[in-house]
Amino acid sequence: SQKIEQNSEALNIQEGKTATLTCNYTNYSPAYLQWYRQDPGRGPVFLLLIRENEKEKRKERLKVTFDTTLKQSLFHITASQPADSATYLCALPDTGGFKTIFGAGTRLFVKA
Amino acid sequence: DAGVIQSPRHEVTEMGQEVTLRCKPISGHNSLFWYRQTMMRGLELLIYFNNNVPIDDSGMPEDRFSAKMPNASFSTLKIQPSEPRDSAVYFCATAATDTQYFGPGTRLTVL
Repeated sequence: SQKIEQNSEALNIQEGKTATLTCNYTNYSPAYLQWYRQDPGRGPVFLLLIRENEKEKRKERLKVTFDTTLKQSLFHITASQPADSATYLCALPDTGGFKTIFGAGTRLFVKA
Repeated sequence: DAGVIQSPRHEVTEMGQEVTLRCKPISGHNSLFWYRQTMMRGLELLIYFNNNVPIDDSGMPEDRFSAKMPNASFSTLKIQPSEPRDSAVYFCATAATDTQYFGPGTRLTVL
């Protein structure tokens, strides 16, 4: 089945800089890929979905890319703010498309 | 809409006791998922319902776990008997399309 790799080490950046998080998957390329945000003590919240025929998608300060050759998605937060500090999860459908597989997430800390 | 509602938010119980977690999905969402999250294993899918029918329960760890969805507005996850290794945060999520909407979770501690 599909496996997702996200950097397990926390990412620390300065306010105003661009944060870039990586999601790699190991097997077949999925029809789409999603990014979720999770704050401590809360459930994940959907941010963006990018489909396999889309190279890039933007939403306000967020940008997601999807490279099916590299089997990789990059998640960017521009002009980062301390309020962006959270864990960001990559998710994609498993074989058959019924189940969603979530990565372990990358913790982001934005320092003021 | 109030979003996905889960109860209780916190549950502390002793080993061997029965635990029932409850979920009220978003109205109109025909898919419902139960997940378990721990630091060691991350977010794991336990079971998935579509139109109230269990489609995939391959993630249910043992026979001690069972889930039901008697109607479109209610689902339960039961653990009987509970064990300390069941301690985790349990999330219910629902979806109408590809996007899942998560509830606030139930933090379960089994002593």
